[in-house]
Amino acid sequence: DAKTTQPTSMDCAEGRAANLPCNHSTISGNEYVYWYRQIHSQGPQYIIHGLKNNETNEMASLIITEDRKSSTLILPHATLRDTAVYYCIVRGRNTGNQFYFGTGTSLTVIP
Amino acid sequence: GAVVSQHPSWVICKSGTSVKIECRSLDFQATTMFWYRQFPKQSLMLMATSNEGSKATYEQGVEKDKFLINHASLTLSTLTVTSAHPEDSSFYICSARQTVSYSNQPQHFGDGTRLSIL
Repeated sequence: DAKTTQPTSMDCAEGRAANLPCNHSTISGNEYVYWYRQIHSQGPQYIIHGLKNNETNEMASLIITEDRKSSTLILPHATLRDTAVYYCIVRGRNTGNQFYFGTGTSLTVIP
Repeated sequence: GAVVSQHPSWVICKSGTSVKIECRSLDFQATTMFWYRQFPKQSLMLMATSNEGSKATYEQGVEKDKFLINHASLTLSTLTVTSAHPEDSSFYICSARQTVSYSNQPQHFGDGTRLSIL
């Protein structure tokens, strides 16, 4: 599976959009991009995933660049409850379906 | 939907005892479940892939005789930490993926089990 690179930490003001980048420059054609977040002492929570088109759901939007080498998770109106570690994971359809977590981005939403 | 339940959420036991952790998919069937371990201030580390009706696949460096995995049904996988010692103290998390014909479905995670060995 492709390796992902994320900033270690980010801050965001409450009510503003939080834009979390992820670099996956070695992604291959059949690999999806998944985003999860983990609030302290809980299991990871699924947010969104996509292949090449931008995706949006009730939690967030996922913007994938045309060359698919990077993506951005957007939380449109960050709240204090969005403070968490956000993980970007790349996984192919034809692998054993395992997820390998990187170090993620620790997002702190500031009042 | 897609709820994964893990039990117990917290366990404290003496060194040398064995501890069983259950992972259940409550509203979907899961041919495959996964077990992770997470130490403080670190990321999740995949330990093994649990396959219903067959042997688990362990990641390199994970002792299969130490961490016994059983996946006897499409909704239940168990992890038994045998002869646990203080260094086995960690946060253990399971996940499950819905059994469907296309494989881009996300994994859904339980809330974890915090294991403390005295």
